[in-house]
Amino acid sequence: DIQLTQSPSFLSASIRDRVTITCRASQGIRSYLAWYQQKPGKAPKLLIYAASTLQSGVPSRFSGSGSETEFTLTISSLQPEDFATYYCQQVNSYPLTFGGGTRVEIK
Amino acid sequence: EVQLVESGGGLVQPGGSLRLSCGASGFTFSRYWMHWVRQAPGKGLVWVSRVNVDGRSTSYADSVKGRFTISRDNAKNTLYLQMNSLRAEDTAIYYCARDGAAVAGLDAFDIWGQGAKVTVSS
Repeated sequence: DIQLTQSPSFLSASIRDRVTITCRASQGIRSYLAWYQQKPGKAPKLLIYAASTLQSGVPSRFSGSGSETEFTLTISSLQPEDFATYYCQQVNSYPLTFGGGTRVEIK
Repeated sequence: EVQLVESGGGLVQPGGSLRLSCGASGFTFSRYWMHWVRQAPGKGLVWVSRVNVDGRSTSYADSVKGRFTISRDNAKNTLYLQMNSLRAEDTAIYYCARDGAAVAGLDAFDIWGQGAKVTVSS
């Protein structure tokens, strides 16, 4: 199984900060990586797929990059509605796996 | 509106069974692979199972293989998860999710249901 390791697991940041979350895969997954945002009590929401493609309707302050084993999610200017938990997911091979999550909280 | 709505969750004793349903609307259900993902209380997301468009091909996480069965009824626009021999560690919110890969060229879960809570306890 492909393991995904997210870092940090917890992040404290201020409004308008630039935030970067890293996701490392235990083996190469080409660009088969997605990022999701989840708020408490809600279902996850797709932000980015194919490592860097922004899902329709997602603000452009979100961006993704990387390939094979190292990926990043960047929020260029953190907004109040961005405080949530973020998960990466590999869709390269079964079983599909998620990272452990990164909780972004207000400093 | 594109929507997935789960039902069938509840409290069940260890060793018991439960069937979750996921009703789809607002899109052509029969064209999409579908998945189940679960989230234990306070924990992260875990993929559980997937089914292809005609229901003939399925995959499962090792943790549920042999106990859970995914299926679909395209005439009813409904996805199912039959859960047998339930254990305490199966306690979680269960989400159904649409796989956008085959139709939209979108390799990810682009639509999620609101979740169904399953509690396994005596």
